[in-house]
Amino acid sequence: EVRLLESGGGLVQPGGSLRLSCAASGFTFSDYFMHWVRQVPGKGLAWVSRIHPDGSHTLYAGSGQGRFIISRDNAKNMLYLQINSLSVEDTAVYYCVRDLTDGIVDFDLWGQGTLVTVSS
Amino acid sequence: DIVLTQSPGTLSLSPGERATLSCRANRVVNSRWLAWYQQRPGQAPRLLIYSASSRATGIPDRFSGSGSGTDFTLTISRLEPEDFAVYYCQQHGGSPLDYPFGQGTKLEI
Repeated sequence: EVRLLESGGGLVQPGGSLRLSCAASGFTFSDYFMHWVRQVPGKGLAWVSRIHPDGSHTLYAGSGQGRFIISRDNAKNMLYLQINSLSVEDTAVYYCVRDLTDGIVDFDLWGQGTLVTVSS
Repeated sequence: DIVLTQSPGTLSLSPGERATLSCRANRVVNSRWLAWYQQRPGQAPRLLIYSASSRATGIPDRFSGSGSGTDFTLTISRLEPEDFAVYYCQQHGGSPLDYPFGQGTKLEI
């Protein structure tokens, strides 16, 4: 079964750090661009970051520049998102997403999401 | 920055009716980089349309996308009960590169 499964969310104090993980299965993980997208509960979707299939290039939304670090381990079929200096505004469900086709926007496979709550 | 504005914010219709959702960009965008997603309550988003008008795998043909330039439309020809959800458009581009989403249209009964 083709699947993405996130983990690592939870309750964190402001100023803290967290690493989210995403386990991919059922497809050749190393062939695809991967992204993180987040959603504040009850609000819309916001793109967070992208990583090249071989991990060589990364891209971040302006709001995450310098605080978010996306990475991947193709040998383990894992995607990661390190979030530093967390603030209450980072409270959201974080989705791991596959980008099906390079050069086209088609986020075709989404995980179920992991909730990050930033609160004191 | 590319900004996508969706309208209406909420659309109230009945099963069997036709739904027309709009997505407008603040500047001309490449149609290859325009996608639509559906999100049902408690679920992750699902890709419906890519490249403005191509249906994703497994998407019923009652869903169609159109448009170019700055104006794009998602049409659902005959609403089924499971179509009542939130719909988002998304684009790619800008400087710096970004993948912005519109704010969403809630389709309700």
